[in-house]
Amino acid sequence: AQSVTQPDIHITVSEGASLELRCNYSYGATPYLFWYVQSPGQGLQLLLKYFSGDTLVQGIKGFEAEFKRSQSSFNLRKPSVHWSDAAEYFCAVGAGSARQLTFGSGTQLTVLP
Amino acid sequence: SAVISQKPSRDICQRGTSLTIQCQVDSQVTMMFWYRQQPGQSLTLIATANQGSEATYESGFVIDKFPISRPNLTFSTLTVSNMSPEDSSIYLCSVEEGTEQFFGPGTRLTVL
Repeated sequence: AQSVTQPDIHITVSEGASLELRCNYSYGATPYLFWYVQSPGQGLQLLLKYFSGDTLVQGIKGFEAEFKRSQSSFNLRKPSVHWSDAAEYFCAVGAGSARQLTFGSGTQLTVLP
Repeated sequence: SAVISQKPSRDICQRGTSLTIQCQVDSQVTMMFWYRQQPGQSLTLIATANQGSEATYESGFVIDKFPISRPNLTFSTLTVSNMSPEDSSIYLCSVEEGTEQFFGPGTRLTVL
């Protein structure tokens, strides 16, 4: 069975600073990988996904993520954080599809003015 | 992308009662999913609902507690039965569309 680890429960960055959220997964084959964002009182919004091809994927809102098979990682990055990026971020893995996703425990992002 | 709505958006219920949550999609989809997000926790898949067949439940979830209906390709309901305070969570439905899963806004349930 697949699993996802997000080692950082809470991250605080200043507005304009760069951001990297870590995600490690466990799955025997090539996984489907996703990053979602959940703002207070909102549902989940898909930021980006990876299932094949270029290992550096671009998403919405200026986010990108890089799939590194050797490290079983799919870290999310943004070069300059905006106050509106404050939210909870979830990494998820699908076992060969977008079905039956397994989510990480989430990383809460706080952005300081 | 699919647009998903859920009703109710939130509710406060008494112990021992049941609540039915509705999920409506603006397009026909084969698979719908129900997740639970307990306070401060991540999302856990409850079950997968295909139209015309019984829902498939994940380990730790049973049909008697969380009966699901899927009468057509755009609609599903999840009932939380005989509720206890431990059922206080956000319940989300989602649909698979191509290589993505889209989520509804969630139903925030508080059980007193």
